Amino acid sequence: EAQVTQNPRYLITVTGKKLTVTCSQNMNHEYMSWYRQDPGLGLRQIYYSMNVEVTDKGDVPEGYKVSRKEKRNFPLILESPSPNQTSLYFCASRRTGGSNQPQHFGDGTRLSIL
Amino acid sequence: GESVGLHLPTLSVQEGDNSIINCAYSNSASDYFIWYKQESGKGPQFIIDIRSNMDKRQGQRVTVLLNKTVKHLSLQIAATQPGDSAVYFCAENSGGSNYKLTFGKGTLLTVNP
Repeated sequence: EAQVTQNPRYLITVTGKKLTVTCSQNMNHEYMSWYRQDPGLGLRQIYYSMNVEVTDKGDVPEGYKVSRKEKRNFPLILESPSPNQTSLYFCASRRTGGSNQPQHFGDGTRLSIL
Repeated sequence: GESVGLHLPTLSVQEGDNSIINCAYSNSASDYFIWYKQESGKGPQFIIDIRSNMDKRQGQRVTVLLNKTVKHLSLQIAATQPGDSAVYFCAENSGGSNYKLTFGKGTLLTVNP
C-alpha cells in the first residue's frame, strides 16, 4: 500500500530535550515536505526537500532541522524544543516533474512540549 | 500577502443532500489546485485536483469548479453521506519551483443522518 508513515504518532516531552520525528514514504517520491498545523493558522510548510541531499526552508523553519540522506526518509529534528512548537505535524511527499501532482500526507504526529 | 481562504468555516447538511464548499484564492499565478479531506486523527487525504487551464473536473460524487475571473474554487459533493463528515481544505500551488502548497483554513462539513 502506498503510504507516508510518521513516527511517533504522539509525543509529550519537555523543553530542551532533543527529539526526532521520522517520516518514510514507499512511493519513490523525490519531493518531501514537513508542515505544522495549528488552530486558526492552517497548514504551514516548515522544510522541504526536492531530492536526496537537497533541502530548503519553508515558511516557518525556525527551531527545526531536517536531513535527506535517503530518498524514502525525511526526519524532522527539534534540537531544543520549546512550548511554541507544540503542534500537529504532517509529512508529505509527491513526484516531481511538473506542478500538477498532489502531495500525499502521513497521518500526523502530535507533539506536546511542556 | 497571497493567501487561500474559505467563505464558510462550517457547513451542516442532511444526508443525501448535495454539499458545496467554497474557496477564494488571491494568487493569480497559481496554476494547480487541490481539495483535501481531513478526518479526525488523520492526515489530509487527496480528493480531487484541477489545473488552471480547466474550469471543471468531475470525480466520483465530487466536482471541482474553478472560476479564474473571480479567483474562486468550489467543491461539490453529491448525495452527501455521513462518511463525508470532515474538514475540507483547498490548496493552491503557486507555480514556484518548490511545489509548495498554500492551504486555506478549512471548512468543517457535518452530515446529519
